[in-house]
Amino acid sequence: ILNVEQSPQSLHVQEGDSTNFTCSFPSSNFYALHWYRWETAKSPEALFVMTLNGDEKKKGRISATLNTKEGYSYLYIKGSQPEDSATYLCAFGARGKLIFGQGTELSVKP
Amino acid sequence: GAGVSQSPSNKVTEKGKDVELRCDPISGHTALYWYRQSLGQGLEFLIYFQGNSAPDKSGLPSDRFSAERTGGSVSTLTIQRTQQEDSAVYLCASSQGSMVPNEQFFGPGTRLTVL
Repeated sequence: ILNVEQSPQSLHVQEGDSTNFTCSFPSSNFYALHWYRWETAKSPEALFVMTLNGDEKKKGRISATLNTKEGYSYLYIKGSQPEDSATYLCAFGARGKLIFGQGTELSVKP
Repeated sequence: GAGVSQSPSNKVTEKGKDVELRCDPISGHTALYWYRQSLGQGLEFLIYFQGNSAPDKSGLPSDRFSAERTGGSVSTLTIQRTQQEDSAVYLCASSQGSMVPNEQFFGPGTRLTVL
C-alpha cells in the first residue's frame, strides 16, 4: 500500500515568517511528486510537479526540493503572507492516479 | 479558458437515496479522475478514465459507487443507497494524459451531506 505522509498537520505563523513543510513518500517506483495548494471553497491549484532527483522548483516566494532516493520533498514559503493561508497537499504520482498525503494546513496571521 | 466544472456544488440527501454528481473536464483532456475528501481525511482516489481504456476502479469503496464517462468527455459519479459515511467533498480532475508528469487540474468539488 502506497503511503504519503505530510508534516506538520497544521502550522500557525506570523506574517513575514518563513516556513517549510515535509512530504515523505515511497522511494521505489517513483514517477512524480506533485504539490497543490487548496484554499477553502476553491479548487486545488497545482504548484509544482517534480520528476527528477535533486529537482528544485520555484514560484515567487514558494519553492520545493525533491529527494527521490530517500523519499522526501520539502516545500518552503519565504516571508509568509495572510493570502498564503491554505492547505498544502503533496501527492505521489502512481500509474495515472495521485496518492495524496493528508495535507498541511497553514494559517498566517497579520 | 474554461476549467473543470462540477455540479451540483452542494448536495444534501437522505440516507438510502441515490445521488449523481457531474463533472465537465477541460476540453481536450483525455484523462478524468474522481477523488473524495472525507472529514479529517486526505484526498482519496476513487476512479480514473483514460481515453477508451477500461477505467481504473481500484479506489471505489463499495459496489454502491459507480462512474461513467460518456463520449470521452462528461463524467457522472453515482452513489446508490447513500450512507452517512459517504458524506464528503467529491473532486473531479482532468489531465492531458496519464503519462508522467500528469499534471491534474481540479474542479471546485461537490460537497455531499447524507442525513
